Amino acid sequence: GAVVSQHPSRVICKSGTSVKIECRSLDFQATTMFWYRQFPKQSLMLMATSNEGSKATYEQGVEKDKFLINHASLTLSTLTVTSAHPEDSSFYICSARGLAGAFEQYFGPGTRLTVT
Amino acid sequence: GNSVTQMEGPVTLSEEAFLTINCTYTATGYPSPFWYVQYPGEGLQLLLKATKADDKGSNKGFEATYRKETTSFHLEKGSVQVSDSAVYFCALSGILTGGGNKLTFGTGTQLKVEL
Repeated sequence: GAVVSQHPSRVICKSGTSVKIECRSLDFQATTMFWYRQFPKQSLMLMATSNEGSKATYEQGVEKDKFLINHASLTLSTLTVTSAHPEDSSFYICSARGLAGAFEQYFGPGTRLTVT
Repeated sequence: GNSVTQMEGPVTLSEEAFLTINCTYTATGYPSPFWYVQYPGEGLQLLLKATKADDKGSNKGFEATYRKETTSFHLEKGSVQVSDSAVYFCALSGILTGGGNKLTFGTGTQLKVEL
């Protein structure tokens, strides 16, 4: 149980375009979803936390107008990278948490974004 | 804020060798440490965790003891297998403003086990 999927697994886009990444909890309802970014040989860095039906909470230094997060249902959250630039190229990972107050996060397999 | 330091990889071992991956942290309050594992092509999975000082988490032959005096949570396994080849992440829980928990991750250590 507790499977989280991400789509697409890889995406290449041109500079200036926008890209949407989907994160789905397949067999449970996710009250909270997290979006992380990982650079090569570096830690996963939390970008934002989103609760279903409310605005996402962004970590310090993360541009909310550039990384748009929507958590419209209990099984789907989306991250849209707007006006992408090469420096946005990275590995984006989402995780989902079920019951409010529960701790464990279930992670998706990640999305590799390359901006040319 | 919290920070986690773990040994750099890759670590290459022969099958049945002993494994140690060091993890130390700095934190305020009463954090809880975790080890996550990421097998090739898959998402991160919780491997083991501890909730209080001197707790030992264990799973699939892996163990880690939460040492508050040395702020460490080193991962060990007595005899590794080829199937243990993966990237291992040490992580620390913290408290989000407004409630909930967030994780602070180390950089990850890639383990390669060879026959």
